Amino acid sequence: QQQVKQSPQSLIVQKGGISIINCAYENTAFDYFPWYQQFPGKGPALLIAIRPDVSEKKEGRFTISFNKSAKQFSLHIMDSQPGDSATYFCAANTPGNQFYFGTGTSLTVIP
Amino acid sequence: DGGITQSPKYLFRKEGQNVTLSCEQNLNHDAMYWYRQDPGQGLRLIYYSQIVNDFQKGDIAEGYSVSREKKESFPLTVTSAQKNPTAFYLCASSMVAGVGEQYFGPGTRLTVT
Repeated sequence: QQQVKQSPQSLIVQKGGISIINCAYENTAFDYFPWYQQFPGKGPALLIAIRPDVSEKKEGRFTISFNKSAKQFSLHIMDSQPGDSATYFCAANTPGNQFYFGTGTSLTVIP
Repeated sequence: DGGITQSPKYLFRKEGQNVTLSCEQNLNHDAMYWYRQDPGQGLRLIYYSQIVNDFQKGDIAEGYSVSREKKESFPLTVTSAQKNPTAFYLCASSMVAGVGEQYFGPGTRLTVT
C-alpha cells in the first residue's frame, strides 16, 4: 500500500511557467514532509521540507503548500527553468521510523 | 568532505552470483538505509538500520541481506534468491531514524545477466 501518493507522473512546462506537483497521505502521525530532487544517474538531494504546524514554506523559487485537514501537500516551482528538469519525490516520515516516498514526477522544462 | 560514498558506480554480475554493494558515510549518522529504484516505481526501502548491530526489513527485503558492524558502513548483499536484481541501488543516512534530512549516496547501478 502506497503511504504517499504523488501526481502527476510526468510534467512538461514552458520556461518561466509554474510547475505544480501534488502529494497525498493517510497517516496522520507523519510529522515531516520533504521534497527531493534527483538528476539522472545521481542520488536524490533534499530540496525543501515542511512540518505540519505551518501551511506554507518558501525557499527561493520553490514553495511547499501544506493542507493538514486534506492531508495533502504540494511543491510549486515558480519561473521554471530548463535546469529544473529532474525527477521530484515527495516523502513523509515519523521519528524512529522509515521514510515513505512518492513514486516520483519527471519534470521537463522546455526552453 | 562529508558525505556518503557508494562503490562501484556500475556493477555487472552473472545470474546466480551473490554481489555486495558498498556504502560508507562519514557524517556520524546513526541511521542508514538501502533503497531500490526502478523506473516509475520511486524509491522502495530494502533495509534500514537505526544503530550498529541492528537493522529492520523494509518493504522489499526478500533476496537481500545487510550487516551493520560499524557505524559508518552498511553493505548490502544481493543474493541469488532475488528474482529481478537489475536496478539502481541507493544508500542513504540520517542523523536519527525517521528524523530530519536523509542524505543519499550517488548510487550503484547493478546489471545481472
